[in-house]
Amino acid sequence: DAGVIQSPRHEVTEMGQEVTLRCKPISGHNSLFWYRQTMMRGLELLIYFNNNVPIDDSGMPEDRFSAKMPNASFSTLKIQPSEPRDSAVYFCATAVGGISPLHFGNGTRLTVT
Amino acid sequence: AQSVTQPDIHITVSEGASLELRCNYSYGATPYLFWYVQSPGQGLQLLLKYFSGDTLVQGIKGFEAEFKRSQSSFNLRKPSVHWSDAAEYFCATYNYGQNFVFGPGTRLSVLP
Repeated sequence: DAGVIQSPRHEVTEMGQEVTLRCKPISGHNSLFWYRQTMMRGLELLIYFNNNVPIDDSGMPEDRFSAKMPNASFSTLKIQPSEPRDSAVYFCATAVGGISPLHFGNGTRLTVT
Repeated sequence: AQSVTQPDIHITVSEGASLELRCNYSYGATPYLFWYVQSPGQGLQLLLKYFSGDTLVQGIKGFEAEFKRSQSSFNLRKPSVHWSDAAEYFCATYNYGQNFVFGPGTRLSVLP
């Protein structure tokens, strides 16, 4: 199994531009999580899906952020418009469900100038 | 709300020395506990987990952790550290209300 695959690995964009981060979960994992990691705030849960349905999006910072999971093998996190304070590493993680451990992708490092 | 604390932000040990990373949690019931490791530029990788049973759990890469209910702790240990263990270590808990909660992490440096 290739594990959780995220793309792109690095993204540099200018303030105001739209950014789309992508995640391909491990086959058979029915829970998917988006995290943001910064030095100041550590790991923050943004949103998670169970069986492709958003369960908790209370961590999404504001309306500029949106996430979708159109099917079991793909999810996106979109920021529109992007701002410099969105610069961070964004991780996608998946799990079989319940209390099973999370499997993380290698993250997308986003830099907004 | 449940929380996880890792009192040590940064620890430096010499290669071959023993290691203990501290983790404390706040939760009334028996928690589900995890330790993850993050190498630079990588995602988090599971080292070990505790759900129930034997309070001393073994993980990958020679790590172990001990659950102590009386101290609300789940400290990570390794008898002899290797240079490749230099990384960031995260303690985490899970409960059905909050899902996964991660500690702030402890950065481990290893001296040759």
